[in-house]
Amino acid sequence: DGGITQSPKYLFRKEGQNVTLSCEQNLNHDAMYWYRQDPGQGLRLIYYSQIVNDFQKGDIAEGYSVSREKKESFPLTVTSAQKNPTAFYLCASSMSEEETQYFGPGTRLLVL
Amino acid sequence: QKEVEQNSGPLSVPEGAIASLNCTYSDRGSQSFFWYRQYSGKSPELIMSIYSNGDKEDGRFTAQLNKASQYVSLLIRDSQPSDSATYLCAVTWYNNNDMRFGAGTRLTVKP
Repeated sequence: DGGITQSPKYLFRKEGQNVTLSCEQNLNHDAMYWYRQDPGQGLRLIYYSQIVNDFQKGDIAEGYSVSREKKESFPLTVTSAQKNPTAFYLCASSMSEEETQYFGPGTRLLVL
Repeated sequence: QKEVEQNSGPLSVPEGAIASLNCTYSDRGSQSFFWYRQYSGKSPELIMSIYSNGDKEDGRFTAQLNKASQYVSLLIRDSQPSDSATYLCAVTWYNNNDMRFGAGTRLTVKP
């Protein structure tokens, strides 16, 4: 069963804590993306990766970090430097950077 | 700065009517255009993609692209209550590695 999985579905972060959101795909897609969505707003790009061991900053990369050690995996770490992390985080993948992006189910991050 | 604009709505139509959703974008170097549907609390799902001027039909959905006027629209015929969702327009540009999204239009189809 091919697709994109994200975990956890809900994540709670304490002040000063780093948390990592998981994104895995078995679609054999080269490109992967992380977006942030705030209520009533569109998606904003945090980071993207076109190939393994390479990634680029998007519009709102400050306070976030990523890694791409495997083609299938693109985890996102929300660091303590991100002062307003409460949002819906969406991971997507595509065959290449010009192709249709398909989304995972999302992770909702809340601050305690 | 590449921008994608949508009327946030809400747009309300009666069941069985045609819903018309519009999107404008700022740069003529645009390449590909996408419409996604997003139910409340869920992730976006692709409805249609369109790459060249004109109309593209898929079931009850028709995407219309006019590059000269820099707009893309989505028509939903015979609207159903299950079509009630937020519709996101997305655009990619030549030699660019990201996809820009509009803020979305919230559609409500009333029985």
